Amino acid sequence: GNSVTQMEGPVTLSEEAFLTINCTYTATGYPSLFWYVQYPGEGLQLLLKATKADDKGSNKGFEATYRKETTSFHLEKGSVQVSDSAVYFCALSDLGSNYQLIWGAGTKLIIKP
Amino acid sequence: DTEVTQTPKHLVMGMTNKKSLKCEQHMGHRAMYWYKQKAKKPPELMFVYSYEKLSINESVPSRFSPECPNSSLLNLHLHALQPEDSALYLCASSQKGTGSNSPLHFGNGTRLTVT
Repeated sequence: GNSVTQMEGPVTLSEEAFLTINCTYTATGYPSLFWYVQYPGEGLQLLLKATKADDKGSNKGFEATYRKETTSFHLEKGSVQVSDSAVYFCALSDLGSNYQLIWGAGTKLIIKP
Repeated sequence: DTEVTQTPKHLVMGMTNKKSLKCEQHMGHRAMYWYKQKAKKPPELMFVYSYEKLSINESVPSRFSPECPNSSLLNLHLHALQPEDSALYLCASSQKGTGSNSPLHFGNGTRLTVT
């Protein structure tokens, strides 16, 4: 069945550091891949997405590339800010799950000034 | 500001109470969702309405009763809840009905505490 695996958190970084949050997936078909972010006390927001292999999603300085050969969709940002502190969820949808989102466990990111 | 509005933001209810959660979107989206989220966990799908019809019920106990009065509104009626039902309840919408990979747009949720 479909599944998403994220690196465990919390991930603690200093401001302006480089960020990578790993995400790998298992899917029976050709999934679309998403990163959602949840800031403290809020709902989830779509951060970026990619719908086919080699697509790069980007938003707010974050990027992720859909790598079919490694079944990965790692989230990166070149210089993090304190305001990036949040929980980040990787997710997929495809025909095998009737297009319902399959979620990773979430990774809490803490940025220290 | 989120385009999916949920009310109330916080709700405390006893196990014998009846209450309702409300969700509204005006983006013309055709699918609406209820999720339950426990602390430090990803959201769990409860119900999906597609074109105002219930299309998915993830074996949710009958003490939770969804209602979709029209394409912009979604309610979740609560009755005889248990303390373990305390959680953040999230509403979401997507542009297309179920069976597509349209991204979800979430509200900020209702923080429910059952005493």
